Amino acid sequence: DQQVKQNSPSLSVQEGRISILNCDYTNSMFDYFLWYKKYPAEGPTFLISISSIKDKNEDGRFTVFLNKSAKHLSLHIVPSQPGDSAVYFCAARQTGANSKLTFGKGITLSVRP
Amino acid sequence: GAVVSQHPSRVICKSGTSVKIECRSLDFQATTMFWYRQFPKQSLMLMATSNEGSKATYEQGVEKDKFLINHASLTLSTLTVTSAHPEDSSFYICSAMDRLADQPQHFGDGTRLSIL
Repeated sequence: DQQVKQNSPSLSVQEGRISILNCDYTNSMFDYFLWYKKYPAEGPTFLISISSIKDKNEDGRFTVFLNKSAKHLSLHIVPSQPGDSAVYFCAARQTGANSKLTFGKGITLSVRP
Repeated sequence: GAVVSQHPSRVICKSGTSVKIECRSLDFQATTMFWYRQFPKQSLMLMATSNEGSKATYEQGVEKDKFLINHASLTLSTLTVTSAHPEDSSFYICSAMDRLADQPQHFGDGTRLSIL
């Protein structure tokens, strides 16, 4: 049973436009959510996170939105740049559960010049 | 930012060999480190949680005698794949978490293990 779902395997956007990456979760005990970016043959790089007490967190071009009632979060990248092309993983954790992260399957973002 | 170093980045060896992978936190103390395995086009699968000074906690289905984990200090954890076989070939990634609360996990660059 997959507790963190990234239902779209890929997304292609034009440079300069907004990229919206979606993530759904089923475990209502999750209270901290993270987005990681990964290039091939490298480890994931932390991008941005959000606690369940917030509904929005912004860092430069990256904004994460959390809708707890819908168990849904999204990552907005604006403006998108070719260097943003990578695999993006959504992850969630539950406080007290030894800080284990549960990852989605990832979404491949391609930003066209 | 926080840096996690993983070594080696790539290993090719014969079946039956044991392989050790190191994971170091370079600029912070990590009481907890995690070992993941990633199959092609799949998510990261948590194998075990490594706590400094205590035994690792393995996820269901992961053989603890096959994947030996040692976390001897606040900056180093090792994963040893014992008597590796071709089915153990995979991408192994470690992560470390700062001992401060509410900090994200930071990942190493992974180790590509190929067993011939």
